[in-house]
Amino acid sequence: GENVEQHPSTLSVQEGDSAVIKCTYSDSASNYFPWYKQELGKRPQLIIDIRSNVGEKKDQRIAVTLNKTAKHFSLHITETQPEDSAVYFCAAEARGGKLIFGQGTELSVKP
Amino acid sequence: DAGVTQSPTHLIKTRGQQVTLRCSPISGHKSVSWYQQVLGQGPQFIFQYYEKEERGRGNFPDRFSARQFPNYSSELNVNALLLGDSALYLCASSFGGSRGYTFGSGTRLTVV
Repeated sequence: GENVEQHPSTLSVQEGDSAVIKCTYSDSASNYFPWYKQELGKRPQLIIDIRSNVGEKKDQRIAVTLNKTAKHFSLHITETQPEDSAVYFCAAEARGGKLIFGQGTELSVKP
Repeated sequence: DAGVTQSPTHLIKTRGQQVTLRCSPISGHKSVSWYQQVLGQGPQFIFQYYEKEERGRGNFPDRFSARQFPNYSSELNVNALLLGDSALYLCASSFGGSRGYTFGSGTRLTVV
């Protein structure tokens, strides 16, 4: 069935370090992969997305890589700041406009 | 320019009751999706509507139903509420029913 696995579930880094979150997906037909940041009590906010015809995409301190063969994609945050602390979700788009979300990664950036 | 708006923001219902949640998409967006987010988990897909037609349905019981109106707003109905229906219900809109999903702030439903 459709499934997205996300690791790690929690991640603690020092301010200025890099953070990497990894996801794998099962549906080979998926071709759109967004990442969302969700702060406590707030809505998920799209931070970056990637489509299957692209291997990497960057936006300032955030980058996403995609390996379609391995069904694997990752989020990279460089020069982390305390305001990056939140729960991050990866997702893969399946048939019927359905987003299949990972279990989430709670990122904590310590000053 | 308003984002995705949901109402109400919070709701408390008793087991067995029925609830209706409402969503207005971003102006110009023709697709609305509904998700259930239980505390500590990722959102789970319930429905997607595009141009007033149901385009996708998740693994939820028939107690859950939805519809989309000519102005592209949407309602999610849940009948015979169970304690396990307590969650944050999120609405997401997109222009073409695919990609570029923007979420609303959600409705926090508590069933007691």
